[in-house]
Amino acid sequence: NAGVMQNPRHLVRRRGQEARLRCSPVKGHSHVYWYRQLPEEGLKFMVYLQKENIIDESGMPKERFSAEFPKEGPSILRIQQVVRGDSAAYFCASSRQGDEQYFGPGTRLTVT
Amino acid sequence: GENVEQHPSTLSVQEGDSAVIKCTYSDSASNYFPWYKQELGKRPQLIIDIRSNVGEKKDQRIAVTLNKTAKHFSLHITETQPEDSAVYFCAASKGSNYQLIWGAGTKLIIKP
Repeated sequence: NAGVMQNPRHLVRRRGQEARLRCSPVKGHSHVYWYRQLPEEGLKFMVYLQKENIIDESGMPKERFSAEFPKEGPSILRIQQVVRGDSAAYFCASSRQGDEQYFGPGTRLTVT
Repeated sequence: GENVEQHPSTLSVQEGDSAVIKCTYSDSASNYFPWYKQELGKRPQLIIDIRSNVGEKKDQRIAVTLNKTAKHFSLHITETQPEDSAVYFCAASKGSNYQLIWGAGTKLIIKP
């Protein structure tokens, strides 16, 4: 029974490039959440998606960031034209009914 | 909207002593309260949760208490061990289709 999978685990991008982070939820889970975490800081909510729908994107910057959770395939968090301030750990979590969330191992993005 | 405050931000206790972390929430409609533990460099993991129809829940050395009237809930760890050292996050939710609102985290240090 596989847990939440995220890839890549580490991603290095130069300023101005695009970053694509992937998240495969636990089988049977239809709710996906993306969080950002800076070192020594807490979890910052970004976006909450259900299959093919964005439920709440109040934590996601309006520009350069987008997220999707298609009917088939993983959820994708896309960051266009990355800047140094985007460097962080990005965690994905999934749940069945919208309560208990299971976290993936995270993607550590470094922008050089 | 919902706001969750967590105290203290850092807690240092002697090995074998008890540790208590407190969270308050603002939205009386919140009905689900999980606690997550995050070890350094790892993903957050659920350690215990409580729903609003219950006042207390225990799992070995870990317990959570909920006071709905006062809108606060606490994590209690007894007989602390070195492996309890981590950052602990509380959260609150109104249920399905609502995101978890997270506390800022408590860094628990167990002194040998």
